Amino acid sequence: QKEVEQDPGPLSVPEGAIVSLNCTYSNSAFQYFMWYRQYSRKGPELLMYTYSSGNKEDGRFTAQVDKSSKYISLFIRDSQPSDSATYLCAMSVTALIFGKGTTLSVSS
Amino acid sequence: DVKVTQSSRYLVKRTGEKVFLECVQDMDHENMFWYRQDPGLGLRLIYFSYDVKMKEKGDIPEGYSVSREKKERFSLILESASTNQTSMYLCASSSLKLNEKLFFGSGTQLSVL
Repeated sequence: QKEVEQDPGPLSVPEGAIVSLNCTYSNSAFQYFMWYRQYSRKGPELLMYTYSSGNKEDGRFTAQVDKSSKYISLFIRDSQPSDSATYLCAMSVTALIFGKGTTLSVSS
Repeated sequence: DVKVTQSSRYLVKRTGEKVFLECVQDMDHENMFWYRQDPGLGLRLIYFSYDVKMKEKGDIPEGYSVSREKKERFSLILESASTNQTSMYLCASSSLKLNEKLFFGSGTQLSVL
C-alpha cells in the first residue's frame, strides 16, 4: 500500500461548483497535513497547512483532516477558472510525503 | 516576498554531458531540497541539505550529486546526463522551525537528447 494515495483526475467542473479533493494515507504517525497548488509550468505553492485533526478555513478553501479514517480533504467553494491547477496533498512526521496530485479544470 | 530562484527554465543537453542546475533562496532558510516531477510519478526527492556543506540522499539519488557551499545556494549536478533524467526539476527551501512548509522555485524543464 502506498503511503499517500491521491486520485489523479482529471476533474472538470463548471464555474461556481463546490470541489472536493481527497487523499488517503497509511502512516498513522503523520501529524502535519498540507495542500499545495501547482499551476502549469510553475512550482507548487503552499495553499493550506493544518496540524493534526480538524478543519481549517481560508476564504473559499477549507482543509479537513480525519486522522481516525486517515483521510484528508480540500474543499473549494464557488470555484473559479483561476482555480484550474494541480492540487497536491502532502503530509509529514519529519520528511514531507506528497500525493501525486489531482488536476482540476474549472470552466467558465 | 519569499523567493526561490532556479537559474534556468528550460535546458536541452546531450547524453553524457555534465549538467549543473542552480538554485538560490533569499529567505535565509536552513533546509534546501531538490525534487524531480514526472507525469504519473509525482514529486520524488533526490537530495536535501540541512546546512552548509551537508547533504542527505533522498529517494532517488542515483545519477545525481549536490553541492551546498553557501547557505543560500544549492546545486544539483548530473554527472553524466542520460535520457531517463529528462524531467522537471524543482528546488525548494524551508526554515528549520517550519520544515514542513516548503517554498518552491518555478522549476527547470530538462531535456536530455
